[in-house]
Amino acid sequence: NAGVTQTPKFRILKIGQSMTLQCTQDMNHNYMYWYRQDPGMGLKLIYYSVGAGITDKGEVPNGYNVSRSTTEDFPLRLELAAPSQTSVYFCASSKTTGTDTQYFGPGTRLTVL
Amino acid sequence: AQTVTQSQPEMSVQEAETVTLSCTYDTSESDYYLFWYKQPPSRQMILVIRQEAYKQQNATENRFSVNFQKAAKSFSLKISDSQLGDAAMYFCAYRSANRDDKIIFGKGTRLHILP
Repeated sequence: NAGVTQTPKFRILKIGQSMTLQCTQDMNHNYMYWYRQDPGMGLKLIYYSVGAGITDKGEVPNGYNVSRSTTEDFPLRLELAAPSQTSVYFCASSKTTGTDTQYFGPGTRLTVL
Repeated sequence: AQTVTQSQPEMSVQEAETVTLSCTYDTSESDYYLFWYKQPPSRQMILVIRQEAYKQQNATENRFSVNFQKAAKSFSLKISDSQLGDAAMYFCAYRSANRDDKIIFGKGTRLHILP
């Protein structure tokens, strides 16, 4: 099992550009999450999904969109990138909720200039 | 709103010694879960230990144990026999049992291991 994979690892965007961060898990997990981690801070939840076709907003959803057409994939779309979106983005998955372990991807470092 | 506070931005411990990382949280909920995650320089987030709020017994995972004080809303992590590989950022996290979106992380404590 590869676990949770994210692409790309690094990206530099210009203000106003758009991009999609890819996330794939091969563990047949129902729950998937997108977090952002700003320097010196903990993770903040952007969006999450409890299964294919179902997504919902987390704590900081503005400026982002997600979709979940399959169990495996949970892409995060940035529209009109802004410097405030410079961050490290983590995708995670878990089989259920509660105390179930969340498995994290390696992260994507995004810089918006 | 729920909050998680880690009051120690950085800590250092001698190799083979014991260190305790502090975490306090604020919530009005009675049913929730608490976690400690480790983030080494590779940036990968690794679950260290977890605790259900309804359990009085403190969780233990090998050299890692917690001191869960529900009334005081305190959830500290004790690392025994510290090893060089324990050097990392440690994040305390709170998760509501009632809402899937309520996952809140503290700002982290950077732990240095001195050889």
